[in-house]
Amino acid sequence: DVKVTQSSRYLVKRTGEKVFLECVQDMDHENMFWYRQDPGLGLRLIYFSYDVKMKEKGDIPEGYSVSREKKERFSLILESASTNQTSMYLCASSFRGVNTGELFFGEGSRLTVL
Amino acid sequence: SQQGEEDPQALSIQEGENATMNCSYKTSINNLQWYRQNSGRGLVHLILIRSNEREKHSGRLRVTLDTSKKSSSLLITASRAADTASYFCATLNTGTASKLTFGTGTRLQVTL
Repeated sequence: DVKVTQSSRYLVKRTGEKVFLECVQDMDHENMFWYRQDPGLGLRLIYFSYDVKMKEKGDIPEGYSVSREKKERFSLILESASTNQTSMYLCASSFRGVNTGELFFGEGSRLTVL
Repeated sequence: SQQGEEDPQALSIQEGENATMNCSYKTSINNLQWYRQNSGRGLVHLILIRSNEREKHSGRLRVTLDTSKKSSSLLITASRAADTASYFCATLNTGTASKLTFGTGTRLQVTL
């Protein structure tokens, strides 16, 4: 069974803290993505990666960075968390070879920044 | 940037009725996909329709695509309480390899 695992389902952090959100997939997918989801705004792409050590900005990269040191792992980093980054964060992966864009999602990480 | 707009934003029906959700998009696409999200969970892929297809079925799901109107609809027949969820359309736009653009979603409530 294919699986995308996000390390934390719920996090509470304080303004200014550094936050790491980890995502691991076991499907040998080349592509990995980080989205944030907010009510009324749907899913917005933060960053994505097509290969190890490769990253590209999505639609809303400001305030975020990412790391992909291994194929199966894609980390989202909030260098200095702010209250407007309170959101649901969703990691996803896809298989480049098929190139349909079909995504496999993790269960999400709900981050609250106080 | 958000491309898909879904209509209605929320839909409440009784079990056994059909549910129809619509999605509009703005640019040329390779395919359009529908995903389902249970409350507080991740999204799950339901069905994909390619730009050269007009209709596709999967179990109780029927998807149509009208590229001339840049719109799609998702029909769930004989709905069940377990169908209660949010439904999102997503497009793979021409020239954007592997990167989907999501709509804002329709929240479906199926009551007994």
